[in-house]
Amino acid sequence: DAKTTQPTSMDCAEGRAANLPCNHSTISGNEYVYWYRQIHSQGPQYIIHGLKNNETNEMASLIITEDRKSSTLILPHATLRDTAVYYCIAWYSGNTPLVFGKGTRLSVIA
Amino acid sequence: SAVISQKPSRDICQRGTSLTIQCQVDSQVTMMFWYRQQPGQSLTLIATANQGSEATYESGFVIDKFPISRPNLTFSTLTVSNMSPEDSSIYLCSVEDRSKGYEKLFFGSGTQLSVL
Repeated sequence: DAKTTQPTSMDCAEGRAANLPCNHSTISGNEYVYWYRQIHSQGPQYIIHGLKNNETNEMASLIITEDRKSSTLILPHATLRDTAVYYCIAWYSGNTPLVFGKGTRLSVIA
Repeated sequence: SAVISQKPSRDICQRGTSLTIQCQVDSQVTMMFWYRQQPGQSLTLIATANQGSEATYESGFVIDKFPISRPNLTFSTLTVSNMSPEDSSIYLCSVEDRSKGYEKLFFGSGTQLSVL
């Protein structure tokens, strides 16, 4: 799996959009970009994933650059409950397990 | 989406003893995984639990220390053997779900283990 690089931590004001960047310059053609988050004392939770098109669901939006070397997860209106560690992972299943990096610790501030 | 029940949710154990963690899924799944999360760290994959055959361990993890059972497609156990304080971590069971045409992992709520 390709290695990803994320900032260690970020702050965001409550009600504002949280934009979490991720670099995955060595991503291969069949690897998807997955985002998970882990709220304190819970198991990781799937957020969204994409291959090359931008994606949106009820939780977030995912913007992937045309060259697929980076992406941004957008939480449009961050709340205090969005405070968590966010993991960006480049992954192609093929029966290979998911490998987590260090992630970004997002703190949403009132 | 798969619902995972993991037991126990937490335990405090004495050095040298063993603890078996159970993972029950509400549907049949092909792939099950066990992860460890040491304090303040990210998740590290221990092994893939294979149904009907021996688990596949990642580098740094061995069967004698972390024996795994996978008797069927809905259940697995992880045993932490001969525990030491360094084994104090959160242990998480995970399953792969492909029901929506793409792969994603669901995680149990974890087992918080403290070894004295």
